[in-house]
Amino acid sequence: GAGVSQTPSNKVTEKGKYVELRCDPISGHTALYWYRQSLGQGPEFLIYFQGTGAADDSGLPNDRFFAVRPEGSVSTLKIQRTERGDSAVYLCASSLDGGTRANVLTFGAGSRLTVL
Amino acid sequence: ILNVEQSPQSLHVQEGDSTNFTCSFPSSNFYALHWYRWETAKSPEALFVMTLNGDEKKKGRISATLNTKEGYSYLYIKGSQPEDSATYLCAFINAGNNRKLIWGLGTSLAVNP
Repeated sequence: GAGVSQTPSNKVTEKGKYVELRCDPISGHTALYWYRQSLGQGPEFLIYFQGTGAADDSGLPNDRFFAVRPEGSVSTLKIQRTERGDSAVYLCASSLDGGTRANVLTFGAGSRLTVL
Repeated sequence: ILNVEQSPQSLHVQEGDSTNFTCSFPSSNFYALHWYRWETAKSPEALFVMTLNGDEKKKGRISATLNTKEGYSYLYIKGSQPEDSATYLCAFINAGNNRKLIWGLGTSLAVNP
């Protein structure tokens, strides 16, 4: 697509529920990143995919968080047993090649998750 | 621990004022520095990629400089306009850290008309 698309744009859920957030990157971009931003914080790195594989998942806060990118394009971030502290804007970004310094990230509009 | 610090945290200026803010990063194993602009309710948007010591980049009224030896980058806005109001984020890429971007907390700029 022309840009990075994220769905849903807004998600309100109850504590303990399961949530999936979807990211459709720019066509041809091999690198895909998930970040989250809580109020008053900078972007917090969650996971980075190069192609289908997670090149770095060190930012996932705990085992309730999981992300996949089975065909090297669309990625889904999955959060189990949501907690109020998971409330944040979840940003997805893609770049042509994660290993090249000049390739900037193109961000989606984000998915705002609110856990009640 | 790799830290990226941005200062000031927030800034209020009058329309027409020129302003600048700082991004500080570790000076060893430098790979690249990115500047992004994030307006409320929009996605972060890339401004500059800085890769070489002494780099100077310019886009309209916004420019940036890079000093990799001392570990800082300055972002300058000349003649600020209300539409420049946004959070300006820098992200440092370390050569030895799986090329992961390490983000500062941003400088929030408000330009009053």
